[in-house]
Amino acid sequence: AQSVSQHNHHVILSEAASLELGCNYSYGGTVNLFWYVQYPGQHLQLLLKYFSGDPLVKGIKGFEAEFIKSKFSFNLRKPSVQWSDTAEYFCAVIGAAGNKLTFGGGTRVLVKP
Amino acid sequence: GAGVSQSPSNKVTEKGKDVELRCDPISGHTALYWYRQSLGQGLEFLIYFQGNSAPDKSGLPSDRFSAERTGGSVSTLTIQRTQQEDSAVYLCASSRNSGAANHEQFFGPGTRLTVL
Repeated sequence: AQSVSQHNHHVILSEAASLELGCNYSYGGTVNLFWYVQYPGQHLQLLLKYFSGDPLVKGIKGFEAEFIKSKFSFNLRKPSVQWSDTAEYFCAVIGAAGNKLTFGGGTRVLVKP
Repeated sequence: GAGVSQSPSNKVTEKGKDVELRCDPISGHTALYWYRQSLGQGLEFLIYFQGNSAPDKSGLPSDRFSAERTGGSVSTLTIQRTQQEDSAVYLCASSRNSGAANHEQFFGPGTRLTVL
């Protein structure tokens, strides 16, 4: 069975700080990887996704993630956060032949102005 | 265009009552998914539909949970004899196709269910 682990449950940082959220997955095959974000009071939105090709993927709002196959990791980064990045971030994986997303436990990020 | 919509946005019910949650997917999306978001359990898959068929019901937690989809569009998730542990946010998502893992799933705003 596939599983996803997010290392940090809560992150607090100041504006302009850099952000890195860890994500590791367990799955015995080819996977597609996603980061979703849930802003306060809003629904889940896709930040970025990796299917194949360049392991460094860029998403919306200046976010990027790097797929490291040997480490089963898909860490999310942003060089300089803004107050508006306050949200909960979810890493998710789906098997290449699958249909259902398996989510990590989420990381709540609070950016102090 | 319109996104995934869900109704009601909030539902408070008494233990033992039945509830129905509705999902309207994005027009033209053939695949529809139900997930549950609860404290301590995170986001969990419940069931997915391809058209009106449900090839994967593996996430339904008990036989009190059922879902149907009609006309390849609207879906209803029914919980019978609700229990307090059913309290959660129930999320619906749709995608252009299923079995195609590279199709983004678009999520609705969810229905917050509280069982007293």
